[in-house]
Amino acid sequence: DTGVSQDPRHKITKRGQNVTFRCDPISEHNRLYWYRQTLGQGPEFLTYFQNEAQLEKSRLLSDRFSAERPKGSFSTLEIQRTEQGDSAMYLCASSLDAGWAYEQYFGPGTRLTVT
Amino acid sequence: KNEVEQSPQNLTAQEGEFITINCSYSVGISALHWLQQHPGGGIVSLFMLSSGKKKHGRLIATINIQEKHSSLHITASHPRDSAVYICAVSLYNTDKLIFGTGTRLQVFP
Repeated sequence: DTGVSQDPRHKITKRGQNVTFRCDPISEHNRLYWYRQTLGQGPEFLTYFQNEAQLEKSRLLSDRFSAERPKGSFSTLEIQRTEQGDSAMYLCASSLDAGWAYEQYFGPGTRLTVT
Repeated sequence: KNEVEQSPQNLTAQEGEFITINCSYSVGISALHWLQQHPGGGIVSLFMLSSGKKKHGRLIATINIQEKHSSLHITASHPRDSAVYICAVSLYNTDKLIFGTGTRLQVFP
């Protein structure tokens, strides 16, 4: 399967703990995006990478959030000192920089529950 | 006011009915996307369009750039079409997507 994969699919953690999520994009895709979706809402943009460079970060991404894409392949999203408000579905998507607008391919998401 | 507005928020239909979901946006875009999300979270891209009309099977998407409006039509709806349909736009000066809140569709046999 050559789709976007995310790990883990589900994570339950206690408030104050750190969590890290991984996204593996489609292998030839050079752009990678992170989104967050809360119940009943559409996804919201968090950040995106072109190769290993992080090109844009949302104001939603507080100092407790950090994302990396060290070799331009997989990416990690870390949340430090989790809060209950961080409970959400974290979605990763990838695309190929091949024109004016890019179709994004989404992973299955990581559902985070902070207790 | 959200940059991307969808209507209706919820939609119930009988199998076989023709369905329309609307999307309006207020920003300059390079493309508009229609996405489908099933329970459990996975999102699938249905269409990406910047002008005119696209068709794939029973699904049709149209966009009017001047009016900043798009519609997604489903002909001969089927219970397996039950899902959340999300409109999203790519902005001119960035690659990120701005999403609507989605339309929850339920099609009953």
